[in-house]
This record gives sequence, C-alpha cells and structure tokens, in this order.
Amino acid sequence: GAVVSQHPSRVICKSGTSVKIECRSLDFQATTMFWYRQFPKQSLMLMATSNEGSKATYEQGVEKDKFLINHASLTLSTLTVTSAHPEDSSFYICSARWWGLDEKLFFGSGTQLSVL
Amino acid sequence: QKEVEQNSGPLSVPEGAIASLNCTYSDRGSQSFFWYRQYSGKSPELIMSIYSNGDKEDGRFTAQLNKASQYVSLLIRDSQPSDSATYLCAVNAGNQFYFGTGTSLTVIP
Repeated sequence: GAVVSQHPSRVICKSGTSVKIECRSLDFQATTMFWYRQFPKQSLMLMATSNEGSKATYEQGVEKDKFLINHASLTLSTLTVTSAHPEDSSFYICSARWWGLDEKLFFGSGTQLSVL
Repeated sequence: QKEVEQNSGPLSVPEGAIASLNCTYSDRGSQSFFWYRQYSGKSPELIMSIYSNGDKEDGRFTAQLNKASQYVSLLIRDSQPSDSATYLCAVNAGNQFYFGTGTSLTVIP
C-alpha cells in the first residue's frame, strides 16, 4: 500500500504552547488529506478535510483558529494546535486519499499529544 | 446523514475459528467499501477494499458486499491472537469517507 508518514509520533508540551504535526504522502501525490482525533477507546472523529492549495474544510464544532491546517504541496499537510491546553490531549491521525485504479485512504502512524 | 453501523462488540472467538464482522451503511450511492484494522494505540491499517457485489478474498480475509442489502462483512479464517484488534468499516460516498465506530475482536488462544 501507499505510505503516509506522520511526525512526530509523540509530543509532550506545556499548556499554552503550539504544536505542529506533519503528514506526508511519501510515494504518491495527495490532493486531499484528512485530520482526525481519537480519544482512548473511542471512534475516529473527523476534524477537517485538507485540500492542496485551498482552505481546509472544518467539521462542525472544530475551531479553525485553534487547529490550523496548511496543505501547501501535494505531499504535505500540517496541523498546528495553537495554545494547546490539557483538553487538547489526544491521538491525532492524518490520512491521505490515494487515487490509482481505484480510490483508497491510507493513514499516518498518528501523533499522541499530551499537554501538561 | 451518511451512517455506517457496526456492532461494537466485543467479539470473542477461539484461536483457529472464523471471525465474522458485519457492517451496514445508509447511503445507497456508496461506491467503495473498506475494512481497517486498528491495534490499541496505533493508527488504522487498510486490510481489505471491495467495490462490487460478491466476495473478495485475500489470504485469511474475505470481504463480502451486498449493495441491495447495504451490507458489507469481513470474515477472518483461522483466527490468530495477533488478529485481536478493533476493525473499522469505512464507506466512500459523495467523495467523503465515513467510518463506523469499530468492532473489537479478541482471539482467545
């Protein structure tokens, strides 16, 4: 399958700092990437859809100014959690849409964010 | 509202048995169907995709799709303890991917 790289895998930060998470499609171009968050033992929650060269589309209830998404190239999308607080602690996962003979969605390895 | 429904489980099967995971979806316009496996603390991993009615086999995994009944299933033959994970059903409809809440599978040695 196609490879999606996500960094960092784990980050611990103090309350009030900003954290940037990178998502890269390594062997294909991804015009669309998705960002999810997942709390322990809960299902994936879609946060936003990131489209290359345009503004991200956020799901209802997700603060645009809190979770900044940039998709500046066909292989890179970034999620910045601004002024992080303990309630932002979660597992953040990106995915990239792959177009071949058919369409699939591949996930990055996820980022565990812990805000102290 | 495009919904994907799965039984949350937990589903327990003995080692060597067949595990059967089920999923229903609400949007008849759905075109693509996927099964992902997610280990605890890890991200989902694509294990099967299916696009047309019938069965699709890949190793110990068989995906079954019935568009008339809006039903997709995953069979795992000769279940192994390493298959213990949460299995997510996903549907592609209207250019979006919709996920079920997942079924937790435990394979008992």
